[in-house]
Amino acid sequence: AQSVTQLGSHVSVSEGALVLLRCNYSSSVPPYLFWYVQYPNQGLQLLLKYTSAATLVKGINGFEAEFKKSETSFHLTKPSAHMSDAAEYFCAVSGPDSSYKLIFGSGTRLLVRP
Amino acid sequence: EAGVVQSPRYKIIEKKQPVAFWCNPISGHNTLYWYLQNLGQGPELLIRYENEEAVDDSQLPKDRFSAERLKGVDSTLKIQPAELGDSAVYLCASSSGGAAFNEQFFGPGTRLTVL
Repeated sequence: AQSVTQLGSHVSVSEGALVLLRCNYSSSVPPYLFWYVQYPNQGLQLLLKYTSAATLVKGINGFEAEFKKSETSFHLTKPSAHMSDAAEYFCAVSGPDSSYKLIFGSGTRLLVRP
Repeated sequence: EAGVVQSPRYKIIEKKQPVAFWCNPISGHNTLYWYLQNLGQGPELLIRYENEEAVDDSQLPKDRFSAERLKGVDSTLKIQPAELGDSAVYLCASSSGGAAFNEQFFGPGTRLTVL
């Protein structure tokens, strides 16, 4: 069965610092991978997705993620954190192992210090 | 373009009472999803509709949960009777197709508290 592990339920960075949110997946075949962001009292919004094209995926708000098959990882990065980036971030996987259902990780809350 | 609309946004009920949540997807989206999100967790799929047909309801607790999507547009999710453990956020999402790589657009959710 497919699954997603997000390391660190909370990550704290200073404004202007690098953001790195970790995501590892398990799948018998290369899956589709997604990063969603959830602001307080709002629904989830897609940041970016990997669908077997380029391994480096660029998303909205300056975020990007790199698919590394050898490490079964899809970590999310942003060179310089902004206060408005403070939110909950979810990594998700979909593929034949999950009958193409979207399987979410437990989320990482990003805190940005001024 | 209007997003996914859900109502109510908040609901507080006593256990054993019934409750219903309503969702209006993005216009033209034929695929609709209901998710359950417990505190500190990611969303978990309850049911997926393709137009008016429920194509995946394997995670829906059918003894107390029911859903419908009449005419393939709006959808209602019902719990009867509610239990304390049902306290959570219920999210509705829609997409333009059921393919795994399609972006799902989420509503703001309904936060249910069962006392």
